Amino acid sequence: KAGVTQTPRYLIKTRGQQVTLSCSPISGHRSVSWYQQTPGQGLQFLFEYFSETQRNKGNFPGRFSGRQFSNSRSEMNVSTLELGDSALYLCASSLAGQAPWATEAFFGQGTRLTVV
Amino acid sequence: AQRVTQPEKLLSVFKGAPVELKCNYSYSGSPELFWYVQYSRQRLQLLLRHISRESIKGFTADLNKGETSFHLKKPFAQEEDSAMYYCALVPGGAGNNRKLIWGLGTSLAVNP
Repeated sequence: KAGVTQTPRYLIKTRGQQVTLSCSPISGHRSVSWYQQTPGQGLQFLFEYFSETQRNKGNFPGRFSGRQFSNSRSEMNVSTLELGDSALYLCASSLAGQAPWATEAFFGQGTRLTVV
Repeated sequence: AQRVTQPEKLLSVFKGAPVELKCNYSYSGSPELFWYVQYSRQRLQLLLRHISRESIKGFTADLNKGETSFHLKKPFAQEEDSAMYYCALVPGGAGNNRKLIWGLGTSLAVNP
């Protein structure tokens, strides 16, 4: 079974630009979550999509947005990039639901975004 | 409010010494608790969950509802245990909207 795939692996962008990151979840997983990981702040939750609907959202500005397609693939967009947006962006998928094993999150390897 | 606290950002021990990574949570119900690990240059992955009551790579974690803690322990640390460890909580109860709530992580360094 293929794991969670994130593309691209590395990105360098200039301040003020916008960027789109992509995440393909494990087949059959309906929930996709996005996280920002930085050395100083750890793992910070951005948002979660389930069946094409955003159902949880973290405390990030509106410049950060996302969407999920009918095949559960998800994209994250950051507009008007700032230097502080430089981070590793992680995507995780899960089955979701009530069963204990359904809540396990499977992570991609991340997209390393550098804003210059 | 639901919260997970990992009080130590960095924990340094010598090889062969016992290690305990602390995790405290704030939640009034019955949560599901997890430990995730991220080794250098590898993806974040599940280490263990309290429901399974298992030992993985020599690590164990016991849920203490009285102290609202889920500390991760290993009696003899190995150099390959050096990694970033995250404690996470899923609120219990009905409904599909059960998101993971994360601690800030503890970086474990096991020195030779």
